[in-house]
Amino acid sequence: ETGVTQTPRHLVMGMTNKKSLKCEQHLGHNAMYWYKQSAKKPLELMFVYNFKEQTENNSVPSRFSPECPNSSHLFLHLHTLQPEDSALYLCASSPGLAGYDQYFGPGTRLLVL
Amino acid sequence: KQEVTQIPAALSVPEGENLVLNCSFTDSAIYNLQWFRQDPGKGLTSLLLIQSSQREQTSGRLNASLDKSSGRSTLYIAASQPGDSATYLCAAFNNYGQNFVFGPGTRLSVLP
Repeated sequence: ETGVTQTPRHLVMGMTNKKSLKCEQHLGHNAMYWYKQSAKKPLELMFVYNFKEQTENNSVPSRFSPECPNSSHLFLHLHTLQPEDSALYLCASSPGLAGYDQYFGPGTRLLVL
Repeated sequence: KQEVTQIPAALSVPEGENLVLNCSFTDSAIYNLQWFRQDPGKGLTSLLLIQSSQREQTSGRLNASLDKSSGRSTLYIAASQPGDSATYLCAAFNNYGQNFVFGPGTRLSVLP
């Protein structure tokens, strides 16, 4: 596979469930990102990792827990979510920080019931 | 805090027309500015990246300009086609930050 892949593409979960989103990049990049895209709101940065180290947590609630085991993989662990967390979650990667071209995955469409 | 706005929010044009999408940012201390395209329910595809030292970038029928002093960027699409229908987002990367700040997007419909 090439580029940035995300699984699953669609997810429905209850408020008491625990689930994880997975992102994998095949571009040899060092930085990875999680974004949230809600209806009628601009894309919101959630987390940034550079060389597996978290460099940015944009005031995200603790019910979202990121994990970056290596530069190619990024996870977003979800637990006790709220209906307002329903959104498209996008993963991106770039060669480094400082405004390099970002490459996005197709996203995971999450619905919290 | 950087804020990015885009005008218009939505645009509908007949096929073949040339069009301009606008992006404004409040803080001119940007490192670069990037234009993306997003198809419904999909991820973002990078179109053009303009470094702060550049005035414009071109790719095929697309031309993006950057005027830091006025806090504006424009995306010009020549001879629009129905396949250009999508949401177009701009994002500004600040000198002092480590991430892009995105605008809300312009939803473009090109009618055959």
